[in-house]
Formats: sequence, structure tokens, C-alpha cells
Amino acid sequence: GAVVSQHPSWVICKSGTSVKIECRSLDFQATTMFWYRQFPKQSLMLMATSNEGSKATYEQGVEKDKFLINHASLTLSTLTVTSAHPEDSSFYICSARGAGGGGPEETQYFGPGTRLLVL
Amino acid sequence: GQNIDQPTEMTATEGAIVQINCTYQTSGFNGLFWYQQHAGEAPTFLSYNVLDGLEEKGRFSSFLSRSKGYSYLLLKELQMKDSASYLCAVMDSNYQLIWGAGTKLIIKP
Repeated sequence: GAVVSQHPSWVICKSGTSVKIECRSLDFQATTMFWYRQFPKQSLMLMATSNEGSKATYEQGVEKDKFLINHASLTLSTLTVTSAHPEDSSFYICSARGAGGGGPEETQYFGPGTRLLVL
Repeated sequence: GQNIDQPTEMTATEGAIVQINCTYQTSGFNGLFWYQQHAGEAPTFLSYNVLDGLEEKGRFSSFLSRSKGYSYLLLKELQMKDSASYLCAVMDSNYQLIWGAGTKLIIKP
């Protein structure tokens, strides 16, 4: 239980284009999903908290207009990196909070991540 | 401020036991999580402690002392596949997860 998928797993794009990443909770409903980014050999950095049906809450220093988050249903959240630049290249990971994976309801279960390379 | 401390890196031998410590100072406490993250992959949930004491799950156990702001993850009968980073995370009074930087565990044959 508590499986989270993420698509695509790999993206290579040109500078200036927009990239959309999907995060789905496959076997549970998640009112709250989270978006993280992780640079090589560094720790997870929370970008934003996404609540179904409401606006996302962004962490300090994360540009809302650059990283658009939509959480339209209890099983799907999307992150769109607008006008991507090489410095946006990173490992983007989503998580969904819910029960069913052996932990309490507050447990975050992670998707497999999306590697973004902006040329 | 909120702070989670864990060693940056540890080395252990296959078949042995290793203990990864985590100390925390957070605004409130609603539980502590341990996650495993293999290189290039996303974290996977290992354990959750909210009451003092030891929780055992197969080869992995997790201990919590709330009064000391301390937890450890104990890995027994180490296998090469246990080479990974182990992340300690505390849920604060707002139910926000505060993440440690992770401990990279290297297993040698």
C-alpha cells in the first residue's frame, strides 16, 4: 500500500521551455502532497506543500510564479517548472501524506523522483 | 530554531550491527521518522516513533527518548544492499516534517 508514482522520470529540455511533472497516489487518497528538490549529495529541500483544492504553500525563497503547483484531485498534484534554466536542473521528488504503508496517517510516501536537465 | 543532527557518514562491515544516532531540537514533537534513500532514488519509509522506547521491524529497530531529544536507528546483520543514506525527520507542533541532512552508511565486505 501507499504507492506514489511520478512522471516523467527523466526530462531533458531546452532553456526557456516549461516542464510539467505529475505526482499520483495510486492506492490511497492524499489531501496533502509535497514537492522537494535535491541536488547531488545534498539533503532534501522542501519547495512547497500542496493541499487539494487550495493554493500551495511555498517555502521561503521558492518562486511561486516559476514553480506552479496544482492539486486538482485527491490523487494528483502537478509541478510545472516555467521557463526552465540550467540552474533548475535537479532531482524533483514528490511525496503524498497518508496511511496504508505501515506508518501513521502523517507519513509521507515518496514518488520515484524526476531528473530534470535543462540545456 | 529547529535543528536535527545526525552524523554525515558511517562505515560498517557486512554482517555487523550499526547504530545511527539522531538528536533534535524542534518546536513541539509529533513523532520521528526514519527513511532510507539509496543513491539516485527517492526516500522510502522505514519507521515511526512517537512514544519512548524501541520499535523493532525485522533487522531494523528504532529507538526514541523524547526527554533527551534523541533517537537511533539500529541495523543488524548488515547486508551490502543496506548501503544508503538514512534520513531522520521530526514532525513538529504544526505537523511539518523537519529533515536531517542524512547519514551516508557505507558497508564494506
